[in-house]
Amino acid sequence: KQEVTQIPAALSVPEGENLVLNCSFTDSAIYNLQWFRQDPGKGLTSLLLIQSSQREQTSGRLNASLDKSSGRSTLYIAASQPGDSATYLCAVSHGNQFYFGTGTSLTVIP
Amino acid sequence: GAVVSQHPSRVICKSGTSVKIECRSLDFQATTMFWYRQFPKKSLMLMATSNEGSKATYEQGVEKDKFLINHASLTLSTLTVTSAHPEDSSFYICSAMGGASVDTIYFGEGSWLTVV
Repeated sequence: KQEVTQIPAALSVPEGENLVLNCSFTDSAIYNLQWFRQDPGKGLTSLLLIQSSQREQTSGRLNASLDKSSGRSTLYIAASQPGDSATYLCAVSHGNQFYFGTGTSLTVIP
Repeated sequence: GAVVSQHPSRVICKSGTSVKIECRSLDFQATTMFWYRQFPKKSLMLMATSNEGSKATYEQGVEKDKFLINHASLTLSTLTVTSAHPEDSSFYICSAMGGASVDTIYFGEGSWLTVV
């Protein structure tokens, strides 16, 4: 069974810092990997989707990488802002089913 | 692009009552929809898979008589939490498969349920 782990569980950084969130998964036979953002009391917002054949995806200050062979993905956030404070979830898919990590709670301190 | 809408985004109900959450694919036909639940400080877990016109397939440990899922049309699936209890309070999110790429999955924004 696929297990998705996110480290660290919580992260606090000063504004302006670059940071990396980590996601690891046990079964490398994935269809794709997706990073989401969840604000407190709010829903999920999809940030980046990486297909299994891709190595990375970029959107603005966000860059997500995927190394299937090692079962890892990273989400890089450049020049962090207080508005980036949220919980970040990664999810891997096997066909139709998604397996989610427990998330990393990010706090960017002004 | 394809959009999946969930309603309501937040709902509070009394213990013992039932509450319905809707998941709609706004501009595509979703033959399959999925319902997830998020437990506190835990990851989202798949509850059930629903296919249009047929009974939902529930994951192990999910009470099908308590969490009623209906997928009556290609654009709408509903999750009804029956006889709700405070422990049913959670974040519920749906996803739908379809759109331009039939195997692409789109997520709704989720619904926060609080049972008092």
